[in-house]
Amino acid sequence: DAKTTQPNSMESNEEEPVHLPCNHSTISGTDYIHWYRQLPSQGPEYVIHGLTSNVNNRMASLAIAEDRKSSTLILHRATLRDAAVYYCILKMVGAGNMLTFGGGTRLMVKP
Amino acid sequence: NAGVMQNPRHLVRRRGQEARLRCSPMKGHSHVYWYRQLPEEGLKFMVYLQKENIIDESGMPKERFSAEFPKEGPSILRIQQVVRGDSAAYFCASSPGQGLNIQYFGAGTRLSVL
Repeated sequence: DAKTTQPNSMESNEEEPVHLPCNHSTISGTDYIHWYRQLPSQGPEYVIHGLTSNVNNRMASLAIAEDRKSSTLILHRATLRDAAVYYCILKMVGAGNMLTFGGGTRLMVKP
Repeated sequence: NAGVMQNPRHLVRRRGQEARLRCSPMKGHSHVYWYRQLPEEGLKFMVYLQKENIIDESGMPKERFSAEFPKEGPSILRIQQVVRGDSAAYFCASSPGQGLNIQYFGAGTRLSVL
């Protein structure tokens, strides 16, 4: 799987939007961009995924650059519960591909 | 629809004992993955199984570790003769095996080796 690069940590204020960036300059045409997050002492949790177009769901939005070499996870209103490590992962379609977790971005939310 | 269930949540073993970690996938999921997270480190893939078959065990340590996913019952990750370095959080994920194959994770088993 192609490599992703994320900032080690970010800080946000509660109730404000958060933009979590991810660079993936070696992405291939068949790679989907997945985001997972891991809350303290819990297992990873699927957040959102996309291929080319921007995506929205109840948890977040995913903005994908036109050249697909970067993407941004957007939390529209951060809450204390959103404090977690956020992982940007590239994954090809297919049943067998494991997830390759990098270091992720540790998001801290201040009240 | 229950999520991925792992038990026990916490497991304490002495060096040399065996550890058995169980994972029941989400209903309708036939694919199971095991990951390990060492203290202060990221998650690392260990093994991928379908019912009665090991598909990819490229992340499994060569000795003492084994995994199975029988036709009936949960998937089991077995660690024989545990050592202190096996202390970690072990996470199981399941997926439907079709389409984008999103993986859904359990809460993990935290293994402490004394």
